[in-house]
Amino acid sequence: GQNIDQPTEMTATEGAIVQINCTYQTSGFNGLFWYQQHAGEAPTFLSYNVLDGLEEKGRFSSFLSRSKGYSYLLLKELQMKDSASYLCASLDSNYQLIWGAGTKLIIKP
Amino acid sequence: DAGITQSPRHKVTETGTPVTLRCHQTENHRYMYWYRQDPGHGLRLIHYSYGVKDTDKGEVSDGYSVSRSKTEDFLLTLESATSSQTSVYFCAISESPGTGTDTQYFGPGTRLTVL
Repeated sequence: GQNIDQPTEMTATEGAIVQINCTYQTSGFNGLFWYQQHAGEAPTFLSYNVLDGLEEKGRFSSFLSRSKGYSYLLLKELQMKDSASYLCASLDSNYQLIWGAGTKLIIKP
Repeated sequence: DAGITQSPRHKVTETGTPVTLRCHQTENHRYMYWYRQDPGHGLRLIHYSYGVKDTDKGEVSDGYSVSRSKTEDFLLTLESATSSQTSVYFCAISESPGTGTDTQYFGPGTRLTVL
C-alpha cells in the first residue's frame, strides 16, 4: 500500500529552528513535495525534491533521501506567521500525489 | 496566485439531494483535480481530468462524478449526498504532473455539510 507518515503536531518558539519529518512508501517515486496550509485556506507550494540532498529556499529548506524513503522540511528563524499545517506529498508512478495527513506547527512567542 | 475559483464556497444540504461543485480556472492548464480533505486524513483524490472530456477516477471516487466540457471548468457532482461526504473540497490545476517544477495550484475550497 501507499503510505505517508508525518507527526500530527509540533510546537516551537519564535526565532528558533524546527524540522518536520516525513517518511513515504509509494508505488514508484517521482518526487517529494511540501506544501503549507494556513487554517481555513488552500495549500500552497513550498518545495520539491527529486534528487537526494538539500534544497534551500530562504528560511525554508527541504531534504530528501530516496534510499531511506525520508524527507524533512527545515524552517529557520521562525515567525508567528509560520503557524500552519505542513503537508508532505509523494508523486507516485502514475504521477498522482499521495498526501500525508499534515503536521500542525504551533509557534509560541 | 493562479486564477482558480470555486463555487459555492459554503453549502449545507440534506441527505439524498444532488450537489454540484464548480471549479473555474483562467490559467489554461491541462490538468484539473478534485480532492477532499478531512481531519486526520491527507488530501484524497476523487477524480481528475487530463483534458476536455478526459477524466479518470482517483482514490475515493465512489458516489462522485465529474464532467469537463471546457478547458476552464471542472464540475464535481454528488448524485445523492450522504453525511459521509461532509468535507472540504479542493480543486487543483497543473500544466503537467510529470515534473516537479510544475506543481499543483489549489482553489480556495468549498465547505460542504450534508445533514
